Amino acid sequence: KAGVTQTPRYLIKTRGQQVTLSCSPISGHRSVSWYQQTPGQGLQFLFEYFSETQRNKGNFPGRFSGRQFSNSRSEMNVSTLELGDSALYLCASSSAGAPYNEQFFGPGTRLTVL
Amino acid sequence: DQQVKQNSPSLSVQEGRISILNCDYTNSMFDYFLWYKKYPAEGPTFLISISSIKDKNEDGRFTVFLNKSAKHLSLHIVPSQPGDSAVYFCAAFTGGTSYGKLTFGQGTILTVHP
Repeated sequence: KAGVTQTPRYLIKTRGQQVTLSCSPISGHRSVSWYQQTPGQGLQFLFEYFSETQRNKGNFPGRFSGRQFSNSRSEMNVSTLELGDSALYLCASSSAGAPYNEQFFGPGTRLTVL
Repeated sequence: DQQVKQNSPSLSVQEGRISILNCDYTNSMFDYFLWYKKYPAEGPTFLISISSIKDKNEDGRFTVFLNKSAKHLSLHIVPSQPGDSAVYFCAAFTGGTSYGKLTFGQGTILTVHP
């Protein structure tokens, strides 16, 4: 079974721009979660989607948004980029049927904001 | 508010010896705990988990211990191997409507010397 894929792997943007990151979950997985990893804050939960619906959201400003498509692929968008948005963005998929949230992570997208 | 803490940023161990990674948490609502391993340029990989109703779970060389009264969990790796060198994250999940949200510690860099 193919793992979670994320595109692009690396991205460089300038302040004020917007960016869209893509995540394809493991086949059959319907839940996709997004995380931001920075040296100072560690891994922080952004949001989770299941069957095209956002079920949970972390404490991030409204500039961070996402969506999920009918094939379970997900995108996240960051508008009006700030220097502090430079981070590794990870997505994780799960079957959402397990009693606990074992998540399978993609390799991440490294975003650098200049 | 760091609800999951890994107080040791790094740990160095000789090959063949035991590695013990520690994690403390403050939220008594957590009911599942997980350990992930992360290599550079890859996403975290699930290692082992434990439910809050148990105090020990074992899988091969990996054992996780949970002490609910102390709000403390630990991961034991026996024997340690050079390939175990990675960043280890503990994570916690509250279940209920906390869909997709894992709360992570800051990580511990484990180095196993040959």
